Amino acid sequence: GQQVMQIPQYQHVQEGEDFTTYCNSSTTLSNIQWYKQRPGGHPVFLIQLVKSGEVKKQKRLTFQFGEAKKNSSLHITATQTTDVGTYFCAGHGSSNTGKLIFGQGTTLQVKP
Amino acid sequence: DGGITQSPKYLFRKEGQNVTLSCEQNLNHDAMYWYRQDPGQGLRLIYYSQIVNDFQKGDIAEGYSVSREKKESFPLTVTSAQKNPTAFYLCASSIAFGGYEQYFGPGTRLTVT
Repeated sequence: GQQVMQIPQYQHVQEGEDFTTYCNSSTTLSNIQWYKQRPGGHPVFLIQLVKSGEVKKQKRLTFQFGEAKKNSSLHITATQTTDVGTYFCAGHGSSNTGKLIFGQGTTLQVKP
Repeated sequence: DGGITQSPKYLFRKEGQNVTLSCEQNLNHDAMYWYRQDPGQGLRLIYYSQIVNDFQKGDIAEGYSVSREKKESFPLTVTSAQKNPTAFYLCASSIAFGGYEQYFGPGTRLTVT
């Protein structure tokens, strides 16, 4: 079945350093979503990408969707302690059962 | 305030007992979902409902059951047949089924001993 792989599993950075997490799907995706889960919290929707090669920015966060619509990345510039949490990508397959398939998540720790 | 509520936040049960987790939403969303989260893993889909009075099995439905008698409510029962029930359970909803953002409740942490 469709799988979404996310790397790295963990990342520790010094405050002010950049951070990137990568997401790869075994099949073409119709769209990809990104969620953030703070420690002890629940996932919160960040953004959805739909078009091939799409790039979207939210302040220090940059999201990309690959040309083949099989991979995506989230890049955070100049991390802050408020960025701590687990970032999940989640994709809808192009065959579109409608189900969202989540990656394993990347847990970000930021040292002040 | 619109949102999704789950209760209780923590739940402890003895092995062999069925337990029902509550999920209520006042967002007027048609679709609702139950996910299970284990450490180091992503969210895995247990059951989903596209519309009231309808639901389908997700990827890990064995040992679980659901009902969707009202649009606002989607309770999950963890039965004694679930081999490893201790986990963090998250309920979510979306305006419709398919490529829409999902809104998550605060979750219920179930511990079975």
